[in-house]
Amino acid sequence: AQTVTQSQPEMSVQEAETVTLSCTYDTSESNYYLFWYKQPPSRQMILVIRQEAYKQQNATENRFSVNFQKAAKSFSLKISDSQLGDTAMYFCAFMKSYNFNKFYFGSGTKLNVKP
Amino acid sequence: GAGVSQSPSNKVTEKGKDVELRCDPISGHTALYWYRQSLGQGLEFLIYFQGNSAPDKSGLPSDRFSAERTGGSVSTLTIQRTQQEDSAVYLCASSTRQGDYNEQFFGPGTRLTVL
Repeated sequence: AQTVTQSQPEMSVQEAETVTLSCTYDTSESNYYLFWYKQPPSRQMILVIRQEAYKQQNATENRFSVNFQKAAKSFSLKISDSQLGDTAMYFCAFMKSYNFNKFYFGSGTKLNVKP
Repeated sequence: GAGVSQSPSNKVTEKGKDVELRCDPISGHTALYWYRQSLGQGLEFLIYFQGNSAPDKSGLPSDRFSAERTGGSVSTLTIQRTQQEDSAVYLCASSTRQGDYNEQFFGPGTRLTVL
């Protein structure tokens, strides 16, 4: 079975600073995807970034980047130049390749960006 | 185009009553997913529909939970004889199915409160 662990229930960061959210996972699979989703108070889940396990290069989307350590089964999210609109719950998720129905989510990290 | 919509946005019911939650996926999306998000938790997979194939019901927590998808589009999640532990946000997502991975687009969810 796959498990996803987010050990930081809540974090705070000052506007314009950088913050890193942690995620670890456990799997015996070799081919899979990892994701970070953002859930603002509106409840709508928004995909932030995605990483394919077979790619060694870390994914980057504008101010968001990941540090993917496959051997350590670690997948952290770095948010640079934090903005007030980044305030939300952030969920790390895992999906086996070619297994559309099985998303495994962590329990989330609540990020507060302070002005 | 329109995103995934869900109704009602909020539902309050009494213990023992039946409830129906509705999901309208993005037009043309063949895959539809239901998740449950309990307070302070990540998303828990409930059920997955793909085209005309038999749904994957492996995540449904009990036989009080059922779901239908009519005409390959709209889906209804039904909870019979609701219990207080059913209180949660129920999220629906849809995606296309081409290749190894396709992004899931989420609706805003239905917050169910069982008194």
